[in-house]
Amino acid sequence: GAGVSQSPSNKVTEKGKDVELRCDPISGHTALYWYRQSLGQGLEFLIYFQGNSAPDKSGLPSDRFSAERTGGSVSTLTIQRTQQEDSAVYLCASSLVAGVTGELFFGEGSRLTVL
Amino acid sequence: GENVEQHPSTLSVQEGDSAVIKCTYSDSASNYFPWYKQELGKRPQLIIDIRSNVGEKKDQRIAVTLNKTAKHFSLHITETQPEDSAVYFCAAKGTSGSRLTFGEGTQLTVNP
Repeated sequence: GAGVSQSPSNKVTEKGKDVELRCDPISGHTALYWYRQSLGQGLEFLIYFQGNSAPDKSGLPSDRFSAERTGGSVSTLTIQRTQQEDSAVYLCASSLVAGVTGELFFGEGSRLTVL
Repeated sequence: GENVEQHPSTLSVQEGDSAVIKCTYSDSASNYFPWYKQELGKRPQLIIDIRSNVGEKKDQRIAVTLNKTAKHFSLHITETQPEDSAVYFCAAKGTSGSRLTFGEGTQLTVNP
């Protein structure tokens, strides 16, 4: 596609449920990043992928969070047993290659609300 | 790891005035410093960046300066316009991997 696509755009879930957030990066971009943006806060790094591998997953806040990327393209961020503090906008970004300076192209984000 | 601090958190200026946002970083080996603009309800977008071998870079009304010795960099917007109103994020890329660490953001409001 022309840009980074994320789905769903909005997700409301009950505490304790699992959620999956999807990111479809720009075609040909090998690097993919997940960030979290809480209300009025900055961009908190979660994880990044180079191809299908995740060299840096140190930003994942707990073992309830996991992410995978298959075929060097689509990535899924999974949050198990959601908590209210997980409520945030989850932003995905891609860039041509990781490890070099270059622009991150962000998606519109997935707004997660945990009741 | 890298730590980026950004000031001020909010900034209000009159149209036509200049705006300055400042950031400091902790990793002296960081070599890449981009600035992103996020309009309300939209995705962050790159507006300008600077690499560690350059002290200043300009693009029309926007300029960024870098002081490697002091480990700080600044965004300067001249002749501000209402459409400049947005949240601005600075970021730094350290030497450990490809993580881009962002500041907390500055809400800039340009009053007509």
